[in-house]
Amino acid sequence: DIQMTQSPSSLSASLGERVSLTCRASQEISGYLSWLQQKPDGTIKRLIYAASTLDSGVPKRFSGSRSGSDYSLTISSLESEDFADYYCLQYASYPLTFGAGTKLELK
Amino acid sequence: QVQLQQSGAELAKPGASVKMSCKASGYTFTSYWMHWVKQRPGQGLEWIGYINPSTGYTEYNQKFKDKATLTADKSSSTAYMQLSSLTSEDSAVDYCARGRVTTAGDYWGQGTTLTVSS
Repeated sequence: DIQMTQSPSSLSASLGERVSLTCRASQEISGYLSWLQQKPDGTIKRLIYAASTLDSGVPKRFSGSRSGSDYSLTISSLESEDFADYYCLQYASYPLTFGAGTKLELK
Repeated sequence: QVQLQQSGAELAKPGASVKMSCKASGYTFTSYWMHWVKQRPGQGLEWIGYINPSTGYTEYNQKFKDKATLTADKSSSTAYMQLSSLTSEDSAVDYCARGRVTTAGDYWGQGTTLTVSS
């Protein structure tokens, strides 16, 4: 199984701050990676797929990138609705596997 | 618009089985796969498996192979997951999520909360 190591596990940040989250894949996943946002009510929304493609309707302050086996989600300027849990998901091979999550909290 | 509407919360006894549903609307049900994902209290997300509603083909995470059974009813555009021999370890929120060959989880259901307790 492909292990996705996500960091940090939690992050405190202020409104307007720029933050980055990272997932490292234990094997080659060739960019088959999504970033998901989970709100406190449990609602899950996909933000990015194919490592860097923004889903329709997702604000442009979200971006995704890849450097080798490291995949990053960057939020350029935090807004109040961005404080949530974030997960990466690799869909290169089965079983699909998720990162352990990052809890983004308001400082 | 694409919607995945999951069935309501379940309370079940240890050893029992439960079957939850995920009704799809706003797209052609047989053109997309349906994945199921588990989230135990305070934990992360874990992939259970998927079904291709067009063919009935299923693929499971080995961890859930003897626990979960995925089915789909094309006539009602509904996917189902049955969980058997329930234990407290099955208490979780289970999500359905749409996918295809080259992608997964573009739309998610709201989740079904399962509580296993005597």
